[in-house]
This record gives sequence, C-alpha cells and structure tokens, in this order.
Amino acid sequence: AQTVTQSQPEMSVQEAETVTLSCTYDTSESDYYLFWYKQPPSRQMILVIRQEAYKQQNATENRFSVNFQKAAKSFSLKISDSQLGDAAMYFCAAPSGGGADGLTFGKGTHLIIQP
Amino acid sequence: GAVVSQHPSWVICKSGTSVKIECRSLDFQATTMFWYRQFPKQSLMLMATSNEGSKATYEQGVEKDKFLINHASLTLSTLTVTSAHPEDSSFYICSAHQGIQETQYFGPGTRLLVL
Repeated sequence: AQTVTQSQPEMSVQEAETVTLSCTYDTSESDYYLFWYKQPPSRQMILVIRQEAYKQQNATENRFSVNFQKAAKSFSLKISDSQLGDAAMYFCAAPSGGGADGLTFGKGTHLIIQP
Repeated sequence: GAVVSQHPSWVICKSGTSVKIECRSLDFQATTMFWYRQFPKQSLMLMATSNEGSKATYEQGVEKDKFLINHASLTLSTLTVTSAHPEDSSFYICSAHQGIQETQYFGPGTRLLVL
C-alpha cells in the first residue's frame, strides 16, 4: 500500500464497552491480506486479526472483528467487551506492494481502557 | 506456534562500531523475513526484505551498505548496522513470513543506542 491511514491518534473506552478503530488504505493489488497488530508497552507486535481481501465475509476472532469495505478500502477493527488488557497501540497494516510481502503500517491508535 | 526471537534485545555501542542483530523463526521455516525500524512514538517503517539464499531488497532511502542483511538459512536472518552513529539509535524489529497463513510474525525487537 502506498498509504495506510489511521485517523484516530487516541481512543478511550469504558471497560466492557465496545470501541471501533478506523483504518483506510490505498493499494493497487487485487488479492491481498490486511492486518491489525497490537503493540503493548513491551513493544512486542502481536497479531490481532487478519482479513483476506478476496473474502467478502468479515473476519472475527473472539471479541475482535473487522468491518472490511473493499471498494471503499476501509478496514476498521471492532473490540467488544473491552478489557483492561486491551490497552495498547493498535496498528493497521496493508501490503507495501512492489511484489514483496512487506507491510506498510498506519501511524497507530492509542487505545485507553477506563476501569 | 509461529514464534520469532531476536537477539540481543538491548545493545549499547560506541559510534563507529558495528552491531549485529539476529532474527530466528523458532518453530517454522521462513524463506522471507523483514526488517523494520521504529522511532519513539512512531509507526514501523519497512527497511528491507530478506530472502533466504539471495540478496536482500531494500526500501527507498535505506542504505544497503550501512544495513547489511544476510539470510543464511530458513530460520535465521541477520542485520548488521555498520559504522553505527547516534542517528542509527532506534528500535529494530524483524518479522518472519509464515507462508501457509500468509502472515508475518514479529520478534520482540532490539533497542539500539549508539553513543
């Protein structure tokens, strides 16, 4: 992707509530994967969820789900029943293109969980 | 599964010296590994793609003579920062591409401080 945009530098949500993190991207590829990674203070990048672009069905992993709109190049992450352990930086990532599988990351959204 | 290790996790060196960082996929083989750089409070930037048995591919603006990459086996890639200078101080993260899942798994990162 040439660009990946996360327009929310910071989001805050009450524990047990639902929050949605937005992401848009730009790519010329037709078949690709999209990812959300979580980076806690330890700075270890942890895969949260991935979406295959050729699949119309939105990916779901327990409390995490995506709303993938291929035509709009939108890939938002919904976290249900937010928990204190969800607090972290969340990065959206798309393939960088050019024949490689490297990723282009958005600038990240800092998610705060209010107890 | 899909565990990636990095060594060392933290290194301090004098200006002008070289530093080698190792990235290993512990429970899967990775023909492709990636190196990223992350400055404080910023996102990850792809530096290069490391292919087993062939030369690395560098992103625009990354000096290949400064950041030497060797992918000697299907489980090991190394990044050598040659003649390090204070501006090379950063957090370096590797990832390994798990082909079956079409997903990158990340190492825990290496903090480099050049004095």
